[in-house]
Amino acid sequence: EVHLVESGGGLVQPGRSLRLSCAGSGFTLADYTMTWVRQAPGTGLEWVGFIRGKPYGGTTEYAPSLKGSFRISRDDSKNTAYLQMNSLKTADTAVYYCARGYLTGDLYFFDSWGQGTLVTVSS
Amino acid sequence: QSGLTQPPSVSGAPGQRVTISCTGTSSNIGTGYDVHWYQQLPGKAPKLLIFHNNNRPSGVPDRFSGSKSGASASLAITGLQAEDEADYYCQSYDTSLSVYVFGTGTKVTVL
Repeated sequence: EVHLVESGGGLVQPGRSLRLSCAGSGFTLADYTMTWVRQAPGTGLEWVGFIRGKPYGGTTEYAPSLKGSFRISRDDSKNTAYLQMNSLKTADTAVYYCARGYLTGDLYFFDSWGQGTLVTVSS
Repeated sequence: QSGLTQPPSVSGAPGQRVTISCTGTSSNIGTGYDVHWYQQLPGKAPKLLIFHNNNRPSGVPDRFSGSKSGASASLAITGLQAEDEADYYCQSYDTSLSVYVFGTGTKVTVL
């Protein structure tokens, strides 16, 4: 059974950095595109970005508004994906979910999700 | 970021049929991109409900069905049950924004 567990969330001051982890089990994370999606309190879902699986080049894509501030990486030996968040703003306060991407044609949907980790940016 | 519009809420009595619309534009659904649907139970993570417009993953009851026409899509729930109370989101890709977009979300209430 596919299982994803996020960790690393917490309270952080504006301007600081935080790294989230997404540990996968029940599948080989290296073979899949891993996505991050966030949900600010009381609002909807927002796609952050993803890192393609090894068979697809391992490249990254980001929402244009977050490119440069956020970086996604992966450690295949640990079956874990990461989201490095720099220069955090209060508007980045959200629950961050990792999800496994399922490739269909050239695009993805997200077939398995973790439980999420809450990031609160506040002074 | 979202280019997909959903009604904020829909409601129905147990056993009734409800539908949720997802309206896009010529840069997302109207381009021909598939629509996928997710169910988010209160306090839980989203869960894939429908993929490729009208396909159900294993384990999803056939009470849930999807359709797509032009620049819009719909999710139908027939035989509404109390456990269906949740938020529902559509998802596609927007070529002008270069992002994967989610709908604004619809809260389903079982009366």
